[in-house]
Amino acid sequence: DIQMTQSPSSLSASVGDRVTITCQASQDITTDLNWYQQKPGKAPKLLMYDASTLATGVPSRFSGSGSGTDFSLTISSVQPEDFATYYCQQYDNLPRTFGQGTKLEIK
Amino acid sequence: QVQLVQSGAEVKRPGASVKLSCMASGYTFSNYGVAWVRQAPGQGLEWLGWISVFNGNTHYGPKVQGRVSMTTDTSTGTAYMELRSLRSDDTAVYYCARDSPGIAVTRFDYWGQGTLVTVSS
Repeated sequence: DIQMTQSPSSLSASVGDRVTITCQASQDITTDLNWYQQKPGKAPKLLMYDASTLATGVPSRFSGSGSGTDFSLTISSVQPEDFATYYCQQYDNLPRTFGQGTKLEIK
Repeated sequence: QVQLVQSGAEVKRPGASVKLSCMASGYTFSNYGVAWVRQAPGQGLEWLGWISVFNGNTHYGPKVQGRVSMTTDTSTGTAYMELRSLRSDDTAVYYCARDSPGIAVTRFDYWGQGTLVTVSS
């Protein structure tokens, strides 16, 4: 199985900060990577697919980059509604695997 | 609008089976796949498997392989997941999600609200 490792596991930020979450795959997955946002008690929401393509309706302050084994999700100016847990997911191989999550908290 | 509505919470004994449903609306059901993902309390996300609504092809995750069956009913637009020989570590919220029609690409763009399954003696 492909292991997905996110860092950091948690992150404190203030509204307006620029934050970056990284995701590393245990082997080359080209750009077969999605990012999801999950708020407490809610289902995850697709943010980004193919590593860098914004899903429908996702604000442009979110951006994704990377290929191969190293990926990142950046929020250019964190808004109050962005405080949540973020997961990366690879779809290069079966089984599909997720990172362990990064919790973005208010400082 | 696209909606996936899941069945209600379940409480089961170890060794029992559970069958969850996921009713889709707002799109052509047979043009997509359905994936199932679970989340144990306070934990991350685990992919359980995928089914092509078009031809019934399935792929299952290793932790549930041999205990899980995913099916669909195109007449009602409903996907089902049955998990057998339940264990305490199957306690989780189970989500269905709309996925790509083929297994080459995964994209969970719409999700159900989740079903809590509790396995306890």
